[in-house]
Amino acid sequence: GAVVSQHPSWVICKSGTSVKIECRSLDFQATTMFWYRQFPKQSLMLMATSNEGSKATYEQGVEKDKFLINHASLTLSTLTVTSAHPEDSSFYICSAGHLAGAGEEQYFGPGTRLTVT
Amino acid sequence: GENVEQHPSTLSVQEGDSAVIKCTYSDSASNYFPWYKQELGKRPQLIIDIRSNVGEKKDQRIAVTLNKTAKHFSLHITETQPEDSAVYFCAASQGAQKLVFGQGTRLTINP
Repeated sequence: GAVVSQHPSWVICKSGTSVKIECRSLDFQATTMFWYRQFPKQSLMLMATSNEGSKATYEQGVEKDKFLINHASLTLSTLTVTSAHPEDSSFYICSAGHLAGAGEEQYFGPGTRLTVT
Repeated sequence: GENVEQHPSTLSVQEGDSAVIKCTYSDSASNYFPWYKQELGKRPQLIIDIRSNVGEKKDQRIAVTLNKTAKHFSLHITETQPEDSAVYFCAASQGAQKLVFGQGTRLTINP
């Protein structure tokens, strides 16, 4: 149980275009999902909290108009990188909380490697 | 907000020896402390976690200790094996919500 998927696993796009990344909880419902970004050899940095049926909450320094988040259902959140630039190239990972024995745990999707040329 | 510091950044140990990675956190409201293992290009995998109502937790060769007073927690891996080589991240949060990660430790197990 507690499987999170992402699509696509990798994408190459041209500068100025937009890219949509999907995050799905396959065997559980998630009212909250999280989006992280990880640059090479660095840690994971939280970008935003995606709330089902309401607006996302963005971390300081993350442009909400550039990284559009939609959480349309209890199993799907999407991140759209608008007007992508080479500096947006990164590994984007989502996570969702799942209630385990002792409490909630965060499970991560496989990540999406975005390369902007 | 929360700030998590992780040490060391790299760690090399002989196969069979033990490895210890340490983290400190700043927010006394944090009550959930997971450890993740990440292999190159892969997702972080939860290997063990501890909540603030206990001081130690063990799962086979892996153990985690928590000192709430000092605001630090540690990962202990015993009888290390080559497949333990990876990057390990600690994290802290309130109720497993917004995870704040440490900088990561690249662990290398030498045969």
